[in-house]
Amino acid sequence: EDQVTQSPEALRLQEGESSSLNCSYTVSGLRGLFWYRQDPGKGPEFLFTLYSAGEEKEKERLKATLTKKESFLHITAPKPEDSATYLCAVPHGGSNYQLIWGAGTKLIIKP
Amino acid sequence: NAGVTQTPKFQVLKTGQSMTLQCAQDMNHNSMYWYRQDPGMGLRLIYYSASEGTTDKGEVPNGYNVSRLNKREFSLRLESAAPSQTSVYFCASTTGTEADTQYFGPGTRLTVL
Repeated sequence: EDQVTQSPEALRLQEGESSSLNCSYTVSGLRGLFWYRQDPGKGPEFLFTLYSAGEEKEKERLKATLTKKESFLHITAPKPEDSATYLCAVPHGGSNYQLIWGAGTKLIIKP
Repeated sequence: NAGVTQTPKFQVLKTGQSMTLQCAQDMNHNSMYWYRQDPGMGLRLIYYSASEGTTDKGEVPNGYNVSRLNKREFSLRLESAAPSQTSVYFCASTTGTEADTQYFGPGTRLTVL
């Protein structure tokens, strides 16, 4: 069964304290892995797409990496404005249109 | 360029009442989606429309119906609301080529009493 699991559920960091969020997946024939950011009361906002193991993408303090079984979202020297819930998703093995979503990691950065 | 818009933003219904959630996109996207988001769970697909004139069931379609009114608009209808349908509903759209980036609306927070 296709599945996406994110850990931890919540992460509290001090401003400037770097860490990583994990997204592990089981899906046949990975056709991409998506990372999104969701602020309270808003819809998810796209961050990255990764397509193959070894691929990395960066945006400001965020860097996403991909292996054959999981993806990491590394946050370097985070600021309070990085506080949000981070979601990952993968396309369903049998469909171009359906994504399987993780439950998200709620990140809180304290000043 | 408004992107994806949804109305209403908030709604309270009594059990058994009906309502329609509206979604529109101005990005000329082919595919549109309706999700629900519940605490502690990932987004779950209710229905999607791969292109104008087509609709398909997602993971949790029971109790819902959809209409792809035209290329821009995709509505979700609850015929007889139940407390289990209390959730936040998101509409999204994509160009429709492969599994590409989904653009989300701001959501509708629905409470069924």
